[in-house]
Amino acid sequence: EGHLVESGGGVVQPGRSLRLSCAASGFTFDDYAMYWVRQAPGKGLEWVSGISRNSGSIGYGDYVRGRFTISRDNAKNSLFLQMDSLSVEDTALYYCVKSRGKFYYYNALDVWGQGTTVTVSS
Amino acid sequence: DIQLTQSPSSLSASVGDRVTITCRASQPIFSYLNWYQQKPGKAPKLLIFHASTLHGGVPSRFRASGSGTDFALTITTLQPEDFATYYCQQSSSSPLTFGGGTKVDIK
Repeated sequence: EGHLVESGGGVVQPGRSLRLSCAASGFTFDDYAMYWVRQAPGKGLEWVSGISRNSGSIGYGDYVRGRFTISRDNAKNSLFLQMDSLSVEDTALYYCVKSRGKFYYYNALDVWGQGTTVTVSS
Repeated sequence: DIQLTQSPSSLSASVGDRVTITCRASQPIFSYLNWYQQKPGKAPKLLIFHASTLHGGVPSRFRASGSGTDFALTITTLQPEDFATYYCQQSSSSPLTFGGGTKVDIK
């Protein structure tokens, strides 16, 4: 079914940057779209970004568009999220998630990592 | 953006009860509606995709239906392991969005 392990979270000051990584295994990485989903403490799920299997189609949530950049390296079975201009509202657990299909839209999110915590605080 | 409204936001039920959660989309999304279960401290798990298709390994007591703007998830006979928070999510158009969640706890 697949296994996803996130890394790169931590504590960062407002306005600074952070880069999250996700290592994928147990499935053919370049066959599937991938996502980042976040969950603020005690809150619901929020879709952050998605990327198609060949990086040809990318989408972002309204609150991160223009500040976050998703990318993937299919040769290294890895997904990334570059987060710039961080604000306290970006504090959350960030999940790396696999799609059931090759496009990030039209498909469900079927394999989830355990998440990496990002805390934005002065 | 497509908004998803889940009802109720929380409910209390007993083992053996039949429970139904609804999800309404702000515009038609065909059958691009998925359901997830999340237990405290754990990552969400996919239950249902394409509005009514059971994901592999999910018990048959989970049933879902709907298309267009109105969707429902039913747990036919609630089991102890089903107490959790449930989210709907649309994949019809970007940005993808989640409903606010429904917490099912023990009466």
